[in-house]
Amino acid sequence: KQEVTQIPAALSVPEGENLVLNCSFTDSAIYNLQWFRQDPGKGLTSLLLIQSSQREQTSGRLNASLDKSSGRSTLYIAASQPGDSATYLCAAFPQGSARQLTFGSGTQLTVLP
Amino acid sequence: DTAVSQTPKYLVTQMGNDKSIKCEQNLGHDTMYWYKQDSKKFLKIMFSYNNKELIINETVPNRFSPKSPDKAHLNLHINSLELGDSAVYFCASSQEGAYLNEQYFGPGTRLTVT
Repeated sequence: KQEVTQIPAALSVPEGENLVLNCSFTDSAIYNLQWFRQDPGKGLTSLLLIQSSQREQTSGRLNASLDKSSGRSTLYIAASQPGDSATYLCAAFPQGSARQLTFGSGTQLTVLP
Repeated sequence: DTAVSQTPKYLVTQMGNDKSIKCEQNLGHDTMYWYKQDSKKFLKIMFSYNNKELIINETVPNRFSPKSPDKAHLNLHINSLELGDSAVYFCASSQEGAYLNEQYFGPGTRLTVT
């Protein structure tokens, strides 16, 4: 059964810093991996999706990497801003017939002005 | 706007009541999901429907019954509500067989059982 872990659970950085959020998964037989952002009291916003055959995806200041062999994904945020403060969730989508995302517990990011 | 929508956004009710949460997507997707996010912010799949047929049913109490009248709707009915049912419930949709199988989420329904 797939398990997804995110470390750290919380992170506080000063504005302008570059940072990396980590995600690890136990079953490398994934179809894709999705990174989401969740603001307090809000829904999930999809940030980046990496298919299993890809190694990274970029969108603006965000870059997500995927290493299936080691069961790891990272989300790199460049030049962080206070508006980046949110909880970041990664979720693995399996190969095969099961069609459900397995989520990590999230990293709560605070960017201090 | 093309999106996944849920109603109501907030639901406060007493133990023992029966309540429903509605979900609609106008993305033309054929697969819809219900996830539960507990107080520790952990999101877990509850159900998945593909073309109105149940394909995933995790270990959820029988008090929870999803209903899909058509591909664009997946409603969640909860009987005999318990304190432990308090959580945020998210609906999502995706297109089976699509290149990326990306899932799109609704805004969530915060259920509080008192």
